[in-house]
Amino acid sequence: ETVMTQSPVTLSASPGERATLSCRASQSVSSNLAWYQQKPGQAPRLLIYSASSRATGIPARFSGSRSETEFTLTISSLQSEDFAVYYCQQYNNWPRTFGQGTKVEI
Amino acid sequence: QVQLQQWGAGLLKPSETLSLSCTVHGGSFSEFFWSWIRQAPGQGLEWIGEINPDGSTNYNPSLKSRATMSLDTSKKSFSLNLHSVAAADTAVYFCARSPYWSDSRGYYSAYFDRWGQGSLVTVSS
Repeated sequence: ETVMTQSPVTLSASPGERATLSCRASQSVSSNLAWYQQKPGQAPRLLIYSASSRATGIPARFSGSRSETEFTLTISSLQSEDFAVYYCQQYNNWPRTFGQGTKVEI
Repeated sequence: QVQLQQWGAGLLKPSETLSLSCTVHGGSFSEFFWSWIRQAPGQGLEWIGEINPDGSTNYNPSLKSRATMSLDTSKKSFSLNLHSVAAADTAVYFCARSPYWSDSRGYYSAYFDRWGQGSLVTVSS
C-alpha cells in the first residue's frame, strides 16, 4: 500500500504566522492528493484536491503544491479557526490511504 | 445543500456484525462513488472501502474480507456490514462521497468532498 508520511507531527505557531505542512508518498500518486482539516468532534473537511486546487469555499490563505512525491500545504497567515489537525490522502492507488496527521496548535 | 446522514448500532459485542447506513439528501446519487472511513479514538483516518453507482466495490485488504458494502439507489442510501468485530474495530465511522476521475482504463474514486456526521461504534464484551 502507499504510505503517506506527514511532518511535523505537531506544529506550534501563532496567529498571523505562516504554516508549512509536508506529506510524502512512498510511491508515485501523480497529483491525486487531497488535504483535509479536522476539528475535534467533527468530520474532516476537504481543503485541497489534485494537489493544488482549493475546494469550494476554502479561503485563499490555503494553498497546496507538489514536487514529485512531496506535497506541501501552506497556510499563509494562520487564523484562530485554523488550529486543527490536517491530513493528506492519496487517491491514485488502492487502498486509499491517509497520512497520520499534523496537529497545528498555538 | 448535500447532506449525508448516517445511522446504525453503537454498541456491539465481539464477534457480532457492525451495520451502518448512510442516506444522501440533495444532489445526485448516481454520479458519485460512496465510501466508508473510520477513525479509532485519538488516531488517524482509515479508508474501509467504496461502492460505485454500478454496485462494484473495493475494500481495504487490512479488513481481511470482513467488510461488505451495498447500495439502494431508489432510497439514495448505501450500507456497510463489518463481520466478526473485535475491540480493535472501535472507532468513529464516517460515510463520504467521492467524485470520480477517469482514464482509458476506467473510472476511479477521487477525494472525499462530503462527509457524514460520524457514528461512534464501540465493541466491548
